[in-house]
Amino acid sequence: GNSVTQMEGPVTLSEEAFLTINCTYTATGYPSLFWYVQYPGEGLQLLLKATKADDKGSNKGFEATYRKETTSFHLEKGSVQVSDSAVYFCALSNAGGTSYGKLTFGQGTILTVHP
Amino acid sequence: DAGVIQSPRHEVTEMGQEVTLRCKPISGHDYLFWYRQTMMRGLELLIYFNNNVPIDDSGMPEDRFSAKMPNASFSTLKIQPSEPRDSAVYFCASSPSGRGGAGYTFGSGTRLTVV
Repeated sequence: GNSVTQMEGPVTLSEEAFLTINCTYTATGYPSLFWYVQYPGEGLQLLLKATKADDKGSNKGFEATYRKETTSFHLEKGSVQVSDSAVYFCALSNAGGTSYGKLTFGQGTILTVHP
Repeated sequence: DAGVIQSPRHEVTEMGQEVTLRCKPISGHDYLFWYRQTMMRGLELLIYFNNNVPIDDSGMPEDRFSAKMPNASFSTLKIQPSEPRDSAVYFCASSPSGRGGAGYTFGSGTRLTVV
């Protein structure tokens, strides 16, 4: 079955530091990959996505590249801000089969950014 | 567009009581998902519907849980009887199609506490 593994957190950084949150996946076929962000007290919001190998998703200074050879989709940001403090979820979705339409989430990584 | 509307935002109930969580998806979205989030288990997909029909309820933990979608604009998740281990945040999400997660919009969640 499908699975997503994220680096364990929590991650604590100072403002303007470089961020990497690792994500690897197991899936059949050619999944689409996503990063979602959850701010305190809110639901999940789509941050970025990539639908095929070597695609790079980007939004709000965050980037992630779909690496099929390493089955990875690591999230990066060059300079984090206090407002980036949130929980980040890596997820995948298969386009067909019994998993059609379903998102499989990683366990989430808590990011805290200090001034 | 008001987004996915969930009610109530918070629910505190006594063990053994019936609890009903409500969700109004985005108009035109034909997929609806119920997720449960806990610190121990992360995000779990409980059940999802397509065009008001339950497609996969394999994530429903036990018979105490039931979900309905009587029409395209309303869904309920019921727990009867409730137990302390059901305490969690329950999210509803909707999507215009099942292909990928890009169309997923999450509600703000219902925080359930069973005492």
